[in-house]
Parts: sequence; C-alpha cells; structure tokens
Amino acid sequence: DQQVKQNSPSLSVQEGRISILNCDYTNSMFDYFLWYKKYPAEGPTFLISISSIKDKNEDGRFTVFLNKSAKHLSLHIVPSQPGDSAVYFCAASYGAGNMLTFGGGTRLMVKP
Amino acid sequence: DAMVIQNPRYQVTQFGKPVTLSCSQTLNHNVMYWYQQKSSQAPKLLFHYYDKDFNNEADTPDNFQSRRPNTSFCFLDIRSPGLGDAAMYLCATSRPRGGRNTEAFFGQGTRLTVV
Repeated sequence: DQQVKQNSPSLSVQEGRISILNCDYTNSMFDYFLWYKKYPAEGPTFLISISSIKDKNEDGRFTVFLNKSAKHLSLHIVPSQPGDSAVYFCAASYGAGNMLTFGGGTRLMVKP
Repeated sequence: DAMVIQNPRYQVTQFGKPVTLSCSQTLNHNVMYWYQQKSSQAPKLLFHYYDKDFNNEADTPDNFQSRRPNTSFCFLDIRSPGLGDAAMYLCATSRPRGGRNTEAFFGQGTRLTVV
C-alpha cells in the first residue's frame, strides 16, 4: 500500500520552460512534505519542504504547492535548466521520529 | 565538509557472508536512519534511532540489524546477505526541532552487490 505516489515515472522539458512534478498521498496524518533530488550513485539531496499549515513555499527557482483537500503536492521549477536533470522524490512525514515515506520518483530530463 | 559519510561507497559481498555498512555524521543530529533503495524504487525505511532508542520497521527482515554506539556513528549489519539484498543503502540524519519535523540529510549511499 503506497502512501506516497508519483504517477509520472519520467518527464521531459525544454530548457527555460517550467517543470511540474506531481505527488499524491493517502495518509491524512502526514503533516510535513519534502522534495529531494537524486543523481545516479548519490544520496538524495534536500530541495524544499512545506508544512501542512501552508499551501505554498518558494525558494528561488523552486516552488512547492500543497493542496490538502486533494492530498496532492507539486514541485514547480522555473526556469528549468539542464543541471536540473535528475530523479525527484517526493516524501512525507508525521510524528516525532521524522520518518520519511517516499514516492517512487520522477526522472526529469531538461533538454538544452 | 561532508556531513553524513557512508563507507564504503561500493561493497561486494558473497552470498551468506556477513557484511557491515557504516555511517558517521558531523551534524550532531539525534535521529539516524537506514533506508534501502532498490533499482527504480522508492527508498524504504529499515530502522531508525531516536537518540538511543531503536525503532525497527515492522517489515524489516530479521537478517538486518543495526547498532548505534554513539551519536556520531551508526552501523547496518546484514547477517546473511541474499541476492535480494543487493541495493543502495542510504543513511540519513535529522534533528526534529520543537516537536516539528525537519528535513533529513542523506549520505552518498553504499551500493551493495551480492555475488
């Protein structure tokens, strides 16, 4: 039973355009959501997060939107750059232990 | 200035031969985690330590054990590796603040191959 799902295994975008990566969750206990970027043979690198009390958080080219009623979040990257090409994981957590439940990842390819 | 360091980066072990993966951190975070990631799948939590308290995920096989001798170090022991245990093993740390969750910091991972 996947509690966090990323339904698009891959996404291809032209350099300079917007990349939108989507994530859905089922567990209404989740109250903290994160996006990680992962290159091959490397560990995930934290990108941006959002608490359930907010619906938007922005950090430079990266913006995360949270729609709690739909149990959906998205990551927008504007403008996309070739260096953004990686696998992006959505993750969610709740409780004191801060344990992350990950989605399956979306491979983003930004074409020059 | 690496903050979460995993050794080795690549480990090859024989079927059934015990293997230990190590993780150290310079962040002084009180929570440490071990995740298993198989090819093209989501990282899966195996266990975590909240300070000295060990927490095992319900579906983590008995073949996997962990030790945390102090704040900085954490070890993953695989007693009898099978072919199905070949994966990337990720160590992570975090420090929840004021009861609020924060991001976890990951090491570069250890790629385990079982032959």
